[in-house]
Amino acid sequence: DTAVSQTPKYLVTQMGNDKSIKCEQNLGHDTMYWYKQDSKKFLKIMFSYNNKELIINETVPNRFSPKSPDKAHLNLHINSLELGDSAVYFCASSQVAGGGGANVLTFGAGSRLTVL
Amino acid sequence: AQSVSQHNHHVILSEAASLELGCNYSYGGTVNLFWYVQYPGQHLQLLLKYFSGDPLVKGIKGFEAEFIKSKFSFNLRKPSVQWSDTAEYFCAVNAAGFQKLVFGTGTRLLVSP
Repeated sequence: DTAVSQTPKYLVTQMGNDKSIKCEQNLGHDTMYWYKQDSKKFLKIMFSYNNKELIINETVPNRFSPKSPDKAHLNLHINSLELGDSAVYFCASSQVAGGGGANVLTFGAGSRLTVL
Repeated sequence: AQSVSQHNHHVILSEAASLELGCNYSYGGTVNLFWYVQYPGQHLQLLLKYFSGDPLVKGIKGFEAEFIKSKFSFNLRKPSVQWSDTAEYFCAVNAAGFQKLVFGTGTRLLVSP
């Protein structure tokens, strides 16, 4: 049973389109994250939600809008896609915000977005 | 703000060679430290973590890391690598009071058989 699942795994789309990536965790964790991994493998946090409340919002264009309908789900919607948005987007969850304490981040398999 | 540096971007080793990957962080307070591994085409998995106590921590697959507070370092080691250790390795830090995990730029390890 997958702990953190993301859909779709691959997404190829044209510039200017709008797309969404969904994430669900069945670990009972309170905190969920979106990380972006660029072509050089650099991982950067984008957003974090704790129990449906936004707690981290890094310097991300407002074309990116996260949404957490409940603490088990965190979706990412991207408007007006640009070439530079091409990356692998990883969802993660943890029991404690930041992965501190006795808990760590559990990652999903990633969603590879290619913008043409 | 917290940051993490991994100085080795690419490492190439032969099987059975010893491995040490450097990781330095910048934050003066209490930190939690992690090493994650990403095998080709896969998601990140936790290798090991340090929260407190013994600064030498052991993880899965024979990996270990040593926290040296005076050097702000958390280097990853393995005495004898295998071909299956080929992967990208990420050091990460969570500073107390900050609600995010910050990753280093990663080290790509290639082990030749």
